[in-house]
Amino acid sequence: GAGVSQTPSNKVTEKGKYVELRCDPISGHTALYWYRQSLGQGPEFLIYFQGTGAADDSGLPNDRFFAVRPEGSVSTLKIQRTERGDSAVYLCASSPLGGSTDTQYFGPGTRLTVL
Amino acid sequence: KQEVTQIPAALSVPEGENLVLNCSFTDSAIYNLQWFRQDPGKGLTSLLLIQSSQREQTSGRLNASLDKSSGRSTLYIAASQPGDSATYLCAVSNDYKLSFGAGTTVTVRA
Repeated sequence: GAGVSQTPSNKVTEKGKYVELRCDPISGHTALYWYRQSLGQGPEFLIYFQGTGAADDSGLPNDRFFAVRPEGSVSTLKIQRTERGDSAVYLCASSPLGGSTDTQYFGPGTRLTVL
Repeated sequence: KQEVTQIPAALSVPEGENLVLNCSFTDSAIYNLQWFRQDPGKGLTSLLLIQSSQREQTSGRLNASLDKSSGRSTLYIAASQPGDSATYLCAVSNDYKLSFGAGTTVTVRA
């Protein structure tokens, strides 16, 4: 079946602009996660959704970052007033239930470049 | 805060040699540990998941061990091939949240 998909694959924007990054999880997966991977580092947790609600948004760096999952499927990560330091690969993952025994399945990521 | 360290940061070996990748973590209260593979410009592919109650997992040429009490895991790749060239990431789970190391970049020379 289809895996996790993310669009766009690449996004170049100018400092101060607003961007939206989309994630389509595996069908039927109730849990969805966003991570951010800076160059040469491992991914860092941003936010976890269980169904439609954000169960843990403790990894969001500041209030310029916001994510939604209105129907419990597709999620959008929104970044306002982008800064050069926001440049990174944004990874989305989904898992069947969200429990500690779940395997998280990752999408290919969106590479964000802020000029 | 969970800290995950991977050593070495990079590794280059001739084809056929066995690979040994190390991962250490500071908080032993984990639920599971996963090893992922990442190819350049791609997402993460899960290779092995070891539950906290397990000592090791095997899949084909891959074997991963877990010593939770000492905060260590090792990934062994037998008889390496050029197609094994990639970055290997270790991640530990404290419930749903994964904490990743920076990865070991492996190059297998033909």
